[in-house]
Amino acid sequence: DIQMTQSPSSVSASVGDRVTITCRASQGISSWLAWYQQKPGKAPKLLIYAASSLQSGVPSRFSGSGSGTDFTLTISSLQPEDFATYYCQQANTLITFGGGTKVEIK
Amino acid sequence: QVTLKESGPVLVKPTETLTLTCTVSGFSLSNARMGVSWIRQPPGKALEWLAHIFSNDEKSYSTSLKSRLTISKDTSKSQVVLTMTNMDPVDTATYYCARIAAAGDWFDPWGQGTLVTVSS
Repeated sequence: DIQMTQSPSSVSASVGDRVTITCRASQGISSWLAWYQQKPGKAPKLLIYAASSLQSGVPSRFSGSGSGTDFTLTISSLQPEDFATYYCQQANTLITFGGGTKVEIK
Repeated sequence: QVTLKESGPVLVKPTETLTLTCTVSGFSLSNARMGVSWIRQPPGKALEWLAHIFSNDEKSYSTSLKSRLTISKDTSKSQVVLTMTNMDPVDTATYYCARIAAAGDWFDPWGQGTLVTVSS
């Protein structure tokens, strides 16, 4: 199975900060990667698919990049509503999620 | 508007079989390349994909749980059913169903989830 490793597991940041989360696949997955945002008690929400495509309705401060084994999710200017946990997911071979990155208020 | 809603027992005993139903609206399970997945999340932990089924009845299962899972669909009822045998307390989790995007195996939208507790 393909393993997905996210880092960091948590990050403390302030409103307005640029935040970058990384996700590494244990083998190449081309661009078969998605990013989700999950708030406490809620279902995950799709942010980015195909590594860099922004899902409809998602603010443009969210962006994704990468291919092969290394991927990043960037929030260009953190907003109060962005404090949440973020997960990557590979779809190259079956489905695997990363362990999550919690973005907390500094 | 596309929606999915999970239903099933909130409490099951160890060794019992869990049956969960996902009822969808706003799309048809018979549409080309349409699919639904089940994903779970133990309290405070990460997401874990379980299984998915497509309109052509193609099915896939998590490697680690394959022997315990069965996924099926009833297109006429707009329902996808997941059964998991031999439940254990470690299977305590919120179980979600989600629609699979046509262009790739991404999930959007998700149901609200249903918490299943395994305890005697």
